Amino acid sequence: QVQLQESGPGLVKPSETLSLTCTVSGASITDYYWSWIRQPPGKGLEWIGYAFFSGATNYNPSLNRRASISVDTSKNQFSLKLISVTAADTAVYYCARASGGSPDGWFDPWGLGTLVTVSS
Amino acid sequence: EVVLTQSPATVSLSPGERATLSCRASQNIAYYLAWYQQKPGQAPKLLIYDASNRATGIPARFSGSGFGTDFTLIISSLEPEDFAIYYCQQRGQWPPLTFGGGTKVEIK
Repeated sequence: QVQLQESGPGLVKPSETLSLTCTVSGASITDYYWSWIRQPPGKGLEWIGYAFFSGATNYNPSLNRRASISVDTSKNQFSLKLISVTAADTAVYYCARASGGSPDGWFDPWGLGTLVTVSS
Repeated sequence: EVVLTQSPATVSLSPGERATLSCRASQNIAYYLAWYQQKPGQAPKLLIYDASNRATGIPARFSGSGFGTDFTLIISSLEPEDFAIYYCQQRGQWPPLTFGGGTKVEIK
């Protein structure tokens, strides 16, 4: 059974960098594409981007090149960095696997999510 | 960017009733649409993929249909655990991968 677990600081100051890690168990991180998705409190879902272990990445243009995603095969983890955060980046951040081995595979499964608040 | 518009925003129904949820895409996305269910405090869960295929373990009361720009999720007879928010998501034209705004199915 594949499981994903997000970890990282729950509070980030404005203008600083948000950093989160997703630990994958039950699957090899080299076999799939991995995405980050976020959900502001009480709002809908927004895809942030994906990464593959080869270094291939793709991001949502709405983030204005502030996001970067990387894969650590030695730890079976992938990570998100979001620079220059503002209050608008306050959200629950989910990591998810793209099913089927393609970058645009349906998201299944998801991590439990972690709330990141941007505030001074 | 493909915009997905879900309707209604909220629907109030009783257990046993039929729920019909709509998702309309701003561009042709063929059958590349999925539905997710999200309960309070939980992550979304994949229900339907490629417009009409149930994900593993999803009960038969959930069915999806549609092609191109108009899609429908039907819950044939609502169970108490089905009251949740439902999101559609497309991968027909990307980046970016996009989600609809959600439909809340609440108990009447």
